[in-house]
Amino acid sequence: QVQLVQSGAEVRKPGASVNVSCKASGYTFTGNFVHWVRQAPGQGLEWVGWINPHSGGTKYAQKFQGRVTMTRDTSIRTAYMELTSLRSDDTAFYYCARVQKGYWHFDLWGRGTLVTVSS
Amino acid sequence: EIVLTQSPGTLSLSPGDRATLSCRASQSVSNTYLAWYQQKPGQTPRVLIYGASNRATGIPDRFSGSGSGTDFTLTISRLEPEDFAVYYCQRYGSSLSLTFGGGTKVEIK
Repeated sequence: QVQLVQSGAEVRKPGASVNVSCKASGYTFTGNFVHWVRQAPGQGLEWVGWINPHSGGTKYAQKFQGRVTMTRDTSIRTAYMELTSLRSDDTAFYYCARVQKGYWHFDLWGRGTLVTVSS
Repeated sequence: EIVLTQSPGTLSLSPGDRATLSCRASQSVSNTYLAWYQQKPGQTPRVLIYGASNRATGIPDRFSGSGSGTDFTLTISRLEPEDFAVYYCQRYGSSLSLTFGGGTKVEIK
């Protein structure tokens, strides 16, 4: 089955870090870029960045530069997103999504990981 | 950085009505990289339109996309009860970055 399975919900204190995983199945993991998108409760979609699972190359939204790191482990078909120096306004659902080559739209989404930042 | 502005913020319509949603870019955007998504409460977004006017697999033909340059439109020809949701436009740019619009909520009048 073609899917992206994300890790479970996390609770962190301000200033801490969080690492969210996204395991791909049913397709060639290294064949499509994986993006991370977040959505605060009741808010819109916000792009965080992407990783090329084949090369490990990354691109991050300027807003998250210096705080986000995306990595992958091709042996277990899993992408990771680490976000550091967490603040309360980082509380959101974090989605991984596969981008379709050519048109660069998202055709497959994980179900999201809720990251709650609270003291 | 290119900003996508969606309007209106909320559209109040009745089933059977025609919905016209706008997505305006602060600079010209390639049609190839303009997409529209639907998101219902508690669900992940679903792609409706890619390449500005191509319907994604399984999307009913009452959904259509058009536009070029800085102005793009998503049209729902006749609203069905399941179409009441939030809609986002998205663009991928030459800087390899990606942007979403702020969304338009289509609600039942």
